[in-house]
Amino acid sequence: EPEVTQTPSHQVTQMGQEVILRCVPISNHLYFYWYRQILGQKVEFLVSFYNNEISEKSEIFDDQFSVERPDGSNFTLKIRSTKLEDSAMYFCASSGDWDNEQFFGPGTRLTVL
Amino acid sequence: AQSVAQPEDQVNVAEGNPLTVKCTYSVSGNPYLFWYVQYPNRGLQFLLKYITGDNLVKGSYGFEAEFNKSQTSFHLKKPSALVSDSALYFCAVRDAYSGNTPLVFGKGTRLSVIA
Repeated sequence: EPEVTQTPSHQVTQMGQEVILRCVPISNHLYFYWYRQILGQKVEFLVSFYNNEISEKSEIFDDQFSVERPDGSNFTLKIRSTKLEDSAMYFCASSGDWDNEQFFGPGTRLTVL
Repeated sequence: AQSVAQPEDQVNVAEGNPLTVKCTYSVSGNPYLFWYVQYPNRGLQFLLKYITGDNLVKGSYGFEAEFNKSQTSFHLKKPSALVSDSALYFCAVRDAYSGNTPLVFGKGTRLSVIA
C-alpha cells in the first residue's frame, strides 16, 4: 500500500540554524500539506500546496518558513532560522483531490536547543 | 471559521464493551468530517470520513461514525473494543465548499481499552 514517507525521523538543531524537512508524498497525489503538533497539543495546519504554489497558509507559516517541490517526488519544508518554539512533530500529508482524505507521513520530530 | 471540539481528554472502556469518542464541529457551510488515529510515535492514520450520503459511515478496524447535522456531531463508535484500539483519536473538519482548505483538528481523545 502506498504511503507518505518523511526524513529524518528526528532532527536536533541549534536555535538560529536552518533545517529542511523532507517528505515523499504518495506518487499520484496532487495536493500536499504540512502540519505540526507541539507535544501534548493538537495538530495545527501550516501550509497547503497545489500546482507548484501555496494554496493556503496559517498564521504560523511566517517568513521563516518556506515549502518547495524541487522535483517530481519530494516536498520540503524549510525553516530558515529556528526558534525554541519551533520544536514539534512535523507531519507531511498528501491527497489525490482536494476533497479526499489526507494521508499522513510518520512525522519528523524537530528539537531546537 | 471551522472548529472541532472533543470534550473528553480520556475515555476508558473495558475490552469487549462498546466505545464512543465524541466530536462536535462548527463550519460555515456543509462539513467534510474525518476521524484519524495516532499510535505512539506514529503518524496519523485515516479511519473514516463523511462527505455526503448515509449518516452512518463505516471505516477501518470496525469503527463507524454517525453524522448528526442537527446536533453538529460526528461521534466515533465501535461495538466491541479491543486492547489494540488504545490510541489517540482525532476528529477533523473542513468546509465542503471552500476548495483546498486545510483540515482543522480537535485536540484529541486518548482511548484506553482495559483487558
